[in-house]
Amino acid sequence: NAGVTQTPKFQVLKTGQSMTLQCAQDMNHEYMSWYRQDPGMGLRLIHYSVGAGITDQGEVPNGYNVSRSTTEDFPLRLLSAAPSQTSVYFCASSLSWGNTEAFFGQGTRLTVV
Amino acid sequence: SQQGEEDPQALSIQEGENATMNCSYKTSINNLQWYRQNSGRGLVHLILIRSNEREKHSGRLRVTLDTSKKSSSLLITASRAADTASYFCATDGSGGGADGLTFGKGTHLIIQP
Repeated sequence: NAGVTQTPKFQVLKTGQSMTLQCAQDMNHEYMSWYRQDPGMGLRLIHYSVGAGITDQGEVPNGYNVSRSTTEDFPLRLLSAAPSQTSVYFCASSLSWGNTEAFFGQGTRLTVV
Repeated sequence: SQQGEEDPQALSIQEGENATMNCSYKTSINNLQWYRQNSGRGLVHLILIRSNEREKHSGRLRVTLDTSKKSSSLLITASRAADTASYFCATDGSGGGADGLTFGKGTHLIIQP
């Protein structure tokens, strides 16, 4: 049972490049989300999904796109990377929202130069 | 968006001592959760306390919740070196929307051997 798997673990991008951060879970969780963690800022919600085909914006969605074509996968796309997107990104999943524990991936450390 | 705020930001104690961290939040909640993050890793769920509960225990962890003061505390008893980590509280909203968990900025706990 792998839980929540994020790839890649590390990535360096040049300003303006695009990329997709992958997230997959094998727990049949309906709820998935993406957070970014910056020093002194805690975790901030980027986008979330309550099930396949349903996504919505979180607190800091600008510059990011998501889709949810399957229950298992929830990729995060950076359309045109900017230095302000340098951060550690975490994907999480849970059975339901807020009233059950969330399972987190190991994170993707992204640097935009 | 509402946010939990942990206090203190950093705490350093000797092994064997008890560690207490506090979390304050701004608006009504259904549940409050505590998570641990070891350096460079994802978050791990510790405990969930519901708004109608006042205290909850799990092993060496004791969590209290005071909804009238909008605050929670996490007590780790008989601390160990392995408890060195950052600890975050996370709240959901009582409005019923599936808009994710809101995290505080965390307390960095260092256990001195």
